[in-house]
Amino acid sequence: SAVISQKPSRDICQRGTSLTIQCQVDSQVTMMFWYRQQPGQSLTLIATANQGSEATYESGFVIDKFPISRPNLTFSTLTVSNMSPEDSSIYLCSDNYGYTFGSGTRLTVV
Amino acid sequence: GENVEQHPSTLSVQEGDSAVIKCTYSDSASNYFPWYKQELGKRPQLIIDIRSNVGEKKDQRIAVTLNKTAKHFSLHITETQPEDSAVYFCAASFSGGYNKLIFGAGTRLAVHP
Repeated sequence: SAVISQKPSRDICQRGTSLTIQCQVDSQVTMMFWYRQQPGQSLTLIATANQGSEATYESGFVIDKFPISRPNLTFSTLTVSNMSPEDSSIYLCSDNYGYTFGSGTRLTVV
Repeated sequence: GENVEQHPSTLSVQEGDSAVIKCTYSDSASNYFPWYKQELGKRPQLIIDIRSNVGEKKDQRIAVTLNKTAKHFSLHITETQPEDSAVYFCAASFSGGYNKLIFGAGTRLAVHP
C-alpha cells in the first residue's frame, strides 16, 4: 500500500492566520481525502481532492475556509484559512478508500 | 442521510476473551467496509476490510462479517491481548461519485491482563 508523508506534524498558530498542510504520496492515487479529527472523536470528512478538478466539500466545510490543491496524482495540500481556536484539531489526509493515512497535523490556534 | 452508527462506545474485556463491535450504515449502495485501529497519538491503521460481495473475512485473530440485508457489519477479535487496546473505527463507503468513507463514532477497547 502507499506511504503518505504529511507535514507539518504540529503547529501553533495565531488566530486570523492561515496554515497549509501538505501530503505527499509515494505512488499515484486517483483521489485523496482530507479529514478533521477532534480530540477523542471520530474522523469527519472535509473534502475529496481529485486531480484536475475542484475539490468536493462536505456539508459544513467551504472552499474559502479550507482551500485544497491537487496539482498531480501524488500531492495535495489543505489550507486552513483565517483560523480561530475552533479550528484546533488534528487534520489527516488519506488515499483512495482510506487504505493509508498521513501521520496527521496537530493544529493549535491561540 | 449518510450515517454510520457504531456500538458500543467503550468495551472492556479480560485478556483472552473475545470482543465484538457492531456498525450499521444507511446507504444500501455502500460496497466497502473497512475497520481501523487507532492508538493514542497515531494515525488510523487499516486492520481489515470487506466488500459487499463477501459475507465474512478473517485474518488471524480478527474477522469481519457483513449482513447487507440488515445493513450492518461487525468486527470480531478473538483471544484478545493487551496490545489490542485502542480505539476502533468502522467506516462505510458512500456512493456519489467518489466512494467517500463515512466513519463511525469509534469504540474504545480496553483489554485487561
